[in-house]
Amino acid sequence: EPEVTQTPSHQVTQMGQEVILRCVPISNHLYFYWYRQILGQKVEFLVSFYNNEISEKSEIFDDQFSVERPDGSNFTLKIRSTKLEDSAMYFCASKLTSNQPQHFGDGTRLSIL
Amino acid sequence: RKEVEQDPGPFNVPEGATVAFNCTYSNSASQSFFWYRQDCRKEPKLLMSVYSSGNEDGRFTAQLNRASQYISLLIRDSKLSDSATYLCVVTDGYGGSQGNLIFGKGTKLSVKP
Repeated sequence: EPEVTQTPSHQVTQMGQEVILRCVPISNHLYFYWYRQILGQKVEFLVSFYNNEISEKSEIFDDQFSVERPDGSNFTLKIRSTKLEDSAMYFCASKLTSNQPQHFGDGTRLSIL
Repeated sequence: RKEVEQDPGPFNVPEGATVAFNCTYSNSASQSFFWYRQDCRKEPKLLMSVYSSGNEDGRFTAQLNRASQYISLLIRDSKLSDSATYLCVVTDGYGGSQGNLIFGKGTKLSVKP
């Protein structure tokens, strides 16, 4: 079964540093998402991406965050200057059409020191 | 504020028990509804979509009541492998939303031998 893959599985970064989280969505999918989950809390929507542009973003997704689809397969989330409170699991998800369910990657655990 | 509320849990049940999870959502514009399960420190995995007519998948039965904005999941003959956190998830149906997901905090289920 095709999968969403994310790298790295764990990223440890000093506060203030830039970090890039990488995702390879399922190959024929058209809609892409990033979510995060702070330990012990619920999964929260960050941003959706369709047709090579951001469709929607939450209030969490401020100017420190950006997304890119640099080629036909990768979908990246960049945090420019990380804060302690950015420590969380970051999940990438994709889906084929607007009314299909989303499939999640196994996440990147981001730890900010 | 768009919220999904779930039974806080945890639910501790013996193998073979029937267990029910309930969920309410505040966004009347939500169009799609799902149950995901999440194992400890893993990604959410789609368990089943929920349809207005109710639907069943093996031991799992989901119900949706749009009028009261209520979703339920019933697990019959529970197995040890059903132990996980069950997430009630709805789409954000407003505006140009691309089906961004709104998650409940989840209900933890522990099935004991």
